[in-house]
Amino acid sequence: RKEVEQDPGPFNVPEGATVAFNCTYSNSASQSFFWYRQDCRKEPKLLMSVYSSGNEDGRFTAQLNRASQYISLLIRDSKLSDSATYLCVCNDYKLSFGAGTTVTVRA
Amino acid sequence: NAGVTQTPKFRILKIGQSMTLQCAQDMNHNYMYWYRQDPGMGLKLIYYSVGAGITDKGEVPNGYNVSRSTTEDFPLRLELAAPSQTSVYFCASSYRGTEYASTNEKLFFGSGTQLSVL
Repeated sequence: RKEVEQDPGPFNVPEGATVAFNCTYSNSASQSFFWYRQDCRKEPKLLMSVYSSGNEDGRFTAQLNRASQYISLLIRDSKLSDSATYLCVCNDYKLSFGAGTTVTVRA
Repeated sequence: NAGVTQTPKFRILKIGQSMTLQCAQDMNHNYMYWYRQDPGMGLKLIYYSVGAGITDKGEVPNGYNVSRSTTEDFPLRLELAAPSQTSVYFCASSYRGTEYASTNEKLFFGSGTQLSVL
């Protein structure tokens, strides 16, 4: 079983829609979690950390469910500029990356 | 403050050639990493370093070597290039404190190297 698994998508949504996707992790000892955004052929960039109590950053909401070992990302009021691949990262002393979920926002 | 600087951006090698991918950071980060990313896949860790003079293998170290003579630099060496090493390579750095796993650890990436081995 992969350490971090993500639905690859793609999620094709119209502008203004809400899109949400999950990431599951296998190591219950994982200490911290992050969402990174990666545009085509570019380096990943930190989108947000994921805190136990859940957290928001503008239109983005991240949640952590330790019991079921998954984290989620929700994007509200999608913009064309949100089109990207979103990488889930789990830190269990080493950083493990998911393969990414592709989101395409259409006009 | 340039962040993580990675060179070259593109390179084509012939099978059996060797090359070094350069990586430098100016943020005084203690941890540095080399990842490769194949199309449609996540990042796989090749090697990492927790500080100058200390390196360790990641998931996919075969065919690569690294060194960390200074805090700033972490070059990745390919000795005998093979087609399986065609990939995009990312260098990254972070600061990790003395605790087991810092919840504040954030990775900063270089802009990547597209390497093709033909």
